[in-house]
Amino acid sequence: GAVVSQHPSRVICKSGTSVKIECRSLDFQATTMFWYRQFPKKSLMLMATSNEGSKATYEQGVEKDKFLINHASLTLSTLTVTSAHPEDSSFYICSARGRLSNQPQHFGDGTRLSIL
Amino acid sequence: AQKVTQAQTEISVVEKEDVTLDCVYETRDTTYYLFWYKQPPSGELVFLIRRNSFDEQNEISGRYSWNFQKSTSSFNFTITASQVVDSAVYFCALSGLSQGAQKLVFGQGTRLTINP
Repeated sequence: GAVVSQHPSRVICKSGTSVKIECRSLDFQATTMFWYRQFPKKSLMLMATSNEGSKATYEQGVEKDKFLINHASLTLSTLTVTSAHPEDSSFYICSARGRLSNQPQHFGDGTRLSIL
Repeated sequence: AQKVTQAQTEISVVEKEDVTLDCVYETRDTTYYLFWYKQPPSGELVFLIRRNSFDEQNEISGRYSWNFQKSTSSFNFTITASQVVDSAVYFCALSGLSQGAQKLVFGQGTRLTINP
C-alpha cells in the first residue's frame, strides 16, 4: 500500500528554536498534503492543506507565519514551526493524497514535538 | 457543515467480549466518504476502512465489521472477540465533496481498553 514517511518522529528543543518536519510520499505522487495537530487525548485538527507548487491553505485560527508549509515537489512537504514555544508542543501528523480527489489520505507516523 | 460525533469517550471491556464503537455524522453532501482509523499508543494512524456514501453494504474483515446506515447517519464499528492488541483510540472520519481538497473531519475518538 501507499507509504508516507514523516521525519523526525520525536523532537525536543529549546524555546525559540525553529523546527522543520518532513513528510514524504515514498511510492506515489502526493498532489495534496495535509498537516494536522493533535493535543493529548484529543482529536486531530487540520492545520493546513497544501498542493504541490502552490501556497498552503490554512484553517481558521492557524498562524501561517508561525507554521510555514512548503510543498515544493510531488513527494515532499515540510512544516516549519518558527520560534517554537512550549505551547507549540504537540503531536503533528501529516497525510498525503494522490491526484484524484476520491483517493484516500495516507498518514505519516507523526512527530512528537516538545519545546522546553 | 460537516460533523462527526463519537459519543463514547472511553470503553473498557474484558478480552473476548464484543464491542461496538458508535459514529454519527452530519453532512449536506450527497457524495461523501466515511473512514475508521486506529491510533495505537505509538501514535500512528492505521487506516481500517473507507466507505462510499452510495455503498450501504455492511462489511466484515476478520473480527472487524462495519454497519453503515444512511437513514440514521451512522457508521458503527464492531470488534468481535476483542483482544488486548485492539486497545487503542479509534477515530471515525468524514470527507465530503463540498470540502475543498477532500478534507477529513474527525470525530473526537473513542479510547478502547481491552483488559486481559
